[in-house]
Amino acid sequence: NAGVTQTPKFRVLKTGQSMTLLCAQDMNHEYMYWYRQDPGMGLRLIHYSVGEGTTAKGEVPDGYNVSRLKKQNFLLGLESAAPSQTSVYFCASIRAAATDTQYFGPGTRLTVL
Amino acid sequence: SQQGEEDPQALSIQEGENATMNCSYKTSINNLQWYRQNSGRGLVHLILIRSNEREKHSGRLRVTLDTSKKSSSLLITASRAADTASYFCAFQNTGGFKTIFGAGTRLFVKA
Repeated sequence: NAGVTQTPKFRVLKTGQSMTLLCAQDMNHEYMYWYRQDPGMGLRLIHYSVGEGTTAKGEVPDGYNVSRLKKQNFLLGLESAAPSQTSVYFCASIRAAATDTQYFGPGTRLTVL
Repeated sequence: SQQGEEDPQALSIQEGENATMNCSYKTSINNLQWYRQNSGRGLVHLILIRSNEREKHSGRLRVTLDTSKKSSSLLITASRAADTASYFCAFQNTGGFKTIFGAGTRLFVKA
């Protein structure tokens, strides 16, 4: 099992550009999450999904969109990147709510100039 | 903010000493978890304690939970240089799908 993988690992964007971050998990997990982590802070939830075809907003959803067309993939989109979106983005998945333990990907470091 | 609060923000100790980190939260929870993050890496799950448990052990880790005080502590005994990392508490509110993370404690263990 590869676990949770994220693509790309690093990216530099200019203000106003768009991009999509891909998260993939091969553990057949139902729930998937996108977080952002800023220096010296914990993780803040952007969006999450409790199953294929479903998405919901987290704490800081503005400026981001997500899609979960396939159970194993959770995509995070930035339509018009802003410098405030410079951060490290982590994806995580959980088998089901009762299990509770989240498995994290290695992160994507995004810089918006 | 729903975030948990952790203290201290940073902790520096000598190898062999014990390290204690504390976490407080404001809502009713299903469980509380502790994660470790090495610099530049993703988070790794360490231990989960359910709301009806008071203490849990895993190797050199000991976690306590006091739901009346809405607080938890993580104790790492006989610390090693390899324990140097950031440690985060995280909790699930009752009835929620979301996990809320604290801001973390940065632990530095000097060899």
